[in-house]
Amino acid sequence: ETGVTQTPRHLVMGMTNKKSLKCEQHLGHNAMYWYKQSAKKPLELMFVYSLEERVENNSVPSRFSPECPNSSHLFLHLHTLQPEDSALYLCASSQEEAGPQHFGDGTRLSIL
Amino acid sequence: EDKVVQSPLSLVVHEGDTVTLNCSYEVTNFRSLLWYKQEKKAPTFLFMLTSSGIEKKSGRLSSILDKKELFSILNITATQTGDSAVYLCAVERYNAGNMLTFGGGTRLMVKP
Repeated sequence: ETGVTQTPRHLVMGMTNKKSLKCEQHLGHNAMYWYKQSAKKPLELMFVYSLEERVENNSVPSRFSPECPNSSHLFLHLHTLQPEDSALYLCASSQEEAGPQHFGDGTRLSIL
Repeated sequence: EDKVVQSPLSLVVHEGDTVTLNCSYEVTNFRSLLWYKQEKKAPTFLFMLTSSGIEKKSGRLSSILDKKELFSILNITATQTGDSAVYLCAVERYNAGNMLTFGGGTRLMVKP
């Protein structure tokens, strides 16, 4: 069983659709993260949840909306996305204030 | 603003060669530097470095940090085709909720 599981693996959506990305961690961590990885750009941190509270959102557009119902689950709700939002979205988890982050395999998102 | 620069951007070597990947950084309240390996999916954790001059080693991979000159190197000896990947460097600050700033990565290709 992988430590951090993301679904779906691939998602194609139109600009007017609403969808959600899901992340689940089985490592007993208490902090979770969303990253965006675009071609030829460094991994960009989008959201951090520590002890289920959002710590920083890094000025991400409001068309991305995170939700963290408990320490094991993290969602990224998407609506009215733009073509430039096409990217690999990675979820990670860690023990707050200690230790490395562990990543899921990501959701490859394509916006038509 | 935190800054992480990796070099070279890409590298092609033959099996058996030794490679050195570089990571330089500028960050306030530096806490640690991490190395990850990313093949097609999730970045996988390699090393976390917090102290200068102490080499971390795992098989054919090793890494060291220089906090005075603000850089780290990742060495891979006797490279194999399975080492082909993007190698990511990231830095972490104190009082930043375990958030990471990533460099752009070095793409390593090992030819048979």
